[in-house]
Amino acid sequence: QKEVEQNSGPLSVPEGAIASLNCTYSDRVSQSFFWYRQYSGKSPELIMSIYSNGDKEDGRFTAQLNKASQYVSLLIRDSQPSDSATYLCATTGYSSASKIIFGSGTRLSIRP
Amino acid sequence: KAGVTQTPRYLIKTRGQQVTLSCSPISGHRSVSWYQQTPGQGLQFLFEYFSETQRNKGNFPGRFSGRQFSNSRSEMNVSTLELGDSALYLCASRPQGALTEAFFGQGTRLTVV
Repeated sequence: QKEVEQNSGPLSVPEGAIASLNCTYSDRVSQSFFWYRQYSGKSPELIMSIYSNGDKEDGRFTAQLNKASQYVSLLIRDSQPSDSATYLCATTGYSSASKIIFGSGTRLSIRP
Repeated sequence: KAGVTQTPRYLIKTRGQQVTLSCSPISGHRSVSWYQQTPGQGLQFLFEYFSETQRNKGNFPGRFSGRQFSNSRSEMNVSTLELGDSALYLCASRPQGALTEAFFGQGTRLTVV
């Protein structure tokens, strides 16, 4: 079983709609959760961090965390063509020495 | 504040050669991690250095090695290159402390021919 699992996609969403990206993780001691956006040929860029159960909103982005279900999601409201990218979910443990583990990413395509 | 800097950006090497990649972290960051990214395998963790010590290691053969200097700059070395080593190599730095996120450099695109 992979430590962090994501649906590889592609996920196709019409412009202006809500894109929903999901991620599950296997390590119950995971404490920090991150969403990165990666455009083709570029490096990953951090867009959201979440540490506590519940929702965290930042502009058009909302991260949701449910530690009991070992599930984290990212919602993108009012999707724009510029949101078309691969979204990587990542997690790290409770120790400062814990490494960050990434999922394989979900490719999101926003159609005009 | 300058971001994470990786050099070189692109590299073409011949099978059997060795290569050294360099990474300068964000000022004040003491943790540097290296990842290999290929289309089929996603982001694979290579190793992490903190204060010149390797504190985490992924499942890569011994041909992949690294080190960190006292100024937190890090180098990654791959010896006896194989065609399958062709990938985007990403360096990420993290601030000290638990639960912190990583910030990536632009990567080095290595092509082995």
